[in-house]
Amino acid sequence: GENVEQHPSTLSVQEGDSAVIKCTYSDSASNYFPWYKQELGKGPQLIIDIRSNVGEKKDQRIAVTLNKTAKHFSLHITETQPEDSAVYFCAASLMGGGNKLTFGTGTQLKVEL
Amino acid sequence: GAVVSQHPSRVICKSGTSVKIECRSLDFQATTMFWYRQFPKQSLMLMATSNEGSKATYEQGVEKDKFLINHASLTLSTLTVTSAHPEDSSFYICSAIGLAGGYSYEQYFGPGTRLTVT
Repeated sequence: GENVEQHPSTLSVQEGDSAVIKCTYSDSASNYFPWYKQELGKGPQLIIDIRSNVGEKKDQRIAVTLNKTAKHFSLHITETQPEDSAVYFCAASLMGGGNKLTFGTGTQLKVEL
Repeated sequence: GAVVSQHPSRVICKSGTSVKIECRSLDFQATTMFWYRQFPKQSLMLMATSNEGSKATYEQGVEKDKFLINHASLTLSTLTVTSAHPEDSSFYICSAIGLAGGYSYEQYFGPGTRLTVT
């Protein structure tokens, strides 16, 4: 089955700096890679996703890059703000093949003033 | 975006009793719903996949007789934890896939249910 690794487990940045979280996956058949933000005591919220036919996707301060050959994908947050502080999870899935998500282990992002 | 609700948000029950958690898709029809369990400071672990009108598919190691899942309609799935024990205390989260916004593979997550078994 799919295995997703995520690094780092914790990340502290100063407000206004950029944050990068990296994930690797094992199953080359996976073709859908969403990122979720989870605040304490709440369910995950989708913030951005990318399909395997795209190398990069951007939405305002958030971007995701995908390297299919290396089986890596990364989340980039620019101009970080205190409200970006949360746990971020990457995931991988095979669309149309059950659509089950395999989650990474999570990254606790803290944006300091 | 599409909204998924869960009820209750928190529940405390005594050991040996059963508790039911509801998951509803509010503004779309969910062809598939998923149930996850999340322990403190850990990732989400898939428990089972539920398709409307059919039996749920459980992940390896998840007891189907303990965690009963019913997906009775395209907008409602329920998870019943039977004969609950303190080790079942956890955060239970559902998600749903449906034809929301024309994107059929995006999973929308509910807000979660905190179960505490005393």
